[in-house]
Order: sequence, then structure tokens, then C-alpha cells
Amino acid sequence: QSVLTQPPSASGTPGQRVTLSCSGSSFNIESNTVNWYQHLPGTAPKLLIYSNHQRPSGVPDRFSGSKSGTSASLAISGLQSEDEAVYYCAAWDDSLNGPVFGGGTKLTVL
Amino acid sequence: QVQLVESGGGLVKPGGSLRLSCAASGFTFSDYYMSWIRQAPGKGLEWVSYISSSGTTIYYPDSVRGRFTVSRDNAKNFLYLQMNSLRVEDTAVYFCARKGLGDYWGRGTLVTVSS
Repeated sequence: QSVLTQPPSASGTPGQRVTLSCSGSSFNIESNTVNWYQHLPGTAPKLLIYSNHQRPSGVPDRFSGSKSGTSASLAISGLQSEDEAVYYCAAWDDSLNGPVFGGGTKLTVL
Repeated sequence: QVQLVESGGGLVKPGGSLRLSCAASGFTFSDYYMSWIRQAPGKGLEWVSYISSSGTTIYYPDSVRGRFTVSRDNAKNFLYLQMNSLRVEDTAVYFCARKGLGDYWGRGTLVTVSS
């Protein structure tokens, strides 16, 4: 059971905007920044968002992140077929002295 | 460019040991904290260990503390994970990642613990 809570699945049609949620606690999301990753099986997870809303170089601005209290969200606008992947949220946890992750949301582009 | 390549995975019996390696390149390895993170089949990501840039600060979750040992060789740009007393539930793909949360990750190496 993951420390951060994410819905197991989400879906959308091409061009649509989808929002993925991530819920934590005062020990992790509320007191530390959140990262989001995109993961395809057999590949290295790719950092999409860091420090709640910052995008690394090369990540399209279709991806945006936000945080409020003990929750965070990742929004994907202009959904494309290549966005079909599993998305994970992560944050440092002060009680565990280590990073904690969500269980991942599998995004399907219909 | 930043590259992290894990190796050393394989099939091992319960109670056995395995040593994973992570070769780092494309950045100044000695400047960065490093983490090991795993993904069990059909499950999410789980942090396994975290080591400071100098190797003096190390953290583990309760699930592996006392069984796993992380180390690094800053001269050779390698990160290691010594795994002892392996259990069936340690079966997973093991990733090494740069920084605590991981800004760059490797592709992972599969560890299967089974009799």
C-alpha cells in the first residue's frame, strides 16, 4: 500500500484535458515539494514536474502541476496518444526520512 | 547526457544475496545524493535506500533495514546495493535514481526471489 494515494486509472480522448490527483499528509506533500513522473514499462521513469509545478527542459507545457495542502495534481491538456502511460507522484516524507510515492495512475487515451 | 545503468539482477533463492550496481555518467557523480527505488510486479514504486553525496548519510525504510546496504564509489562513479536475506517480497525491478526523489532514473534491473 503506497503512502501517497492516486486513483488507479484515468482516461480521456485526444485533445481533452485530464487531471490526475495525488493525496498525502502533513509529513510529505504538505511540508515538501511534489514531483510527477511518466513511466512506460521497460523504460526509465521520466521526470515531468518537480517542485510542485516546475517543468524540466524538454517537457511540453501541456503538462502542469499544482499543490494545495496535502494534495497535488497533474494536469495534461491537449491529450495525445503518446501520453498513454502510468503517472506517479512523489514527495519527501519527514517521518520516514525518505521519498514516498503514489501507487500510480494508468492513463488511457481512448 | 545523464546516464544511469543498473546491473546485477537475477534469480536468487529466499535467504540468498545479490549485489546490484549502478554505473553513472554524464554528470559529476560525487556532487549528488543517490537513491535505489523498486517496483514489485503490478505494484507502485517503493524507496529502498538513499545515500548522501559523500556516503556519510544513509537512510532505509523499515522493510529493508538490516538486510540491505547501500554504498558508493565516487572515484569509479558507481552506486551499489548489497541485498542479503532476500525474501520473496523483494522481487521487483530495482532502479537507481539521481537525487532523493530522482530527477534521472535508470531502466532498472530485475531481481526475482523464488525457490
